[in-house]
Amino acid sequence: ETGVTQSPTHLIKTRGQQVTLRCSSQSGHNTVSWYQQALGQGPQFIFQYYREEENGRGNFPPRFSGLQFPNYSSELNVNALELDDSALYLCASSMDRAVRNEQFFGPGTRLTVL
Amino acid sequence: AQSVTQLGSHVSVSEGALVLLRCNYSSSVPPYLFWYVQYPNQGLQLLLKYTTGATLVKGINGFEAEFKKSETSFHLTKPSAHMSDAAEYFCAVSDRGTNAGKSTFGDGTTLTVKP
Repeated sequence: ETGVTQSPTHLIKTRGQQVTLRCSSQSGHNTVSWYQQALGQGPQFIFQYYREEENGRGNFPPRFSGLQFPNYSSELNVNALELDDSALYLCASSMDRAVRNEQFFGPGTRLTVL
Repeated sequence: AQSVTQLGSHVSVSEGALVLLRCNYSSSVPPYLFWYVQYPNQGLQLLLKYTTGATLVKGINGFEAEFKKSETSFHLTKPSAHMSDAAEYFCAVSDRGTNAGKSTFGDGTTLTVKP
């Protein structure tokens, strides 16, 4: 069974650029959640996708957008990058949306915005 | 809105000593509660969760936590610390009726274990 994978592991961008981060969910999982973890802080919920539809969003501006594909992999897109977007971006997958289903985290993508 | 407070950003214990990591939440209705561990350069791993039923929850690696509604707390304990327990620990909550993927996390507690 393959776990949650994310790519790339590290990324350096400059202000104003756009970035796409990718996540492959664990086999059999149809729900993906994205989190932003700034240095020294806990993860903050960005949004969740369930069966290719957005299923909830945290307090993030519209320049943070996402997609989920038929194979349940997912992308996080960030436009007009700002310095404060520098963080570890985590995705987590789970089976359906039920709370009793544990979510499994990937290792994250470290984004640095200069 | 929910919030989570982890008291003590850094906790240091000796190997073999009791581990106590504190978590308090703010919610109008008792939420679902989680503890996660994060090792350097890795994602988060679920240690344990409380949804319903018994308020003392046992998790992996010898950790347990007790849900105390009157104190709005969900403190994490382990009777005897091991060097491999050194990591970052996060408490998280989600609304009852929603799913774990929409959790609100605390800022974390770094656990150091001294030999």
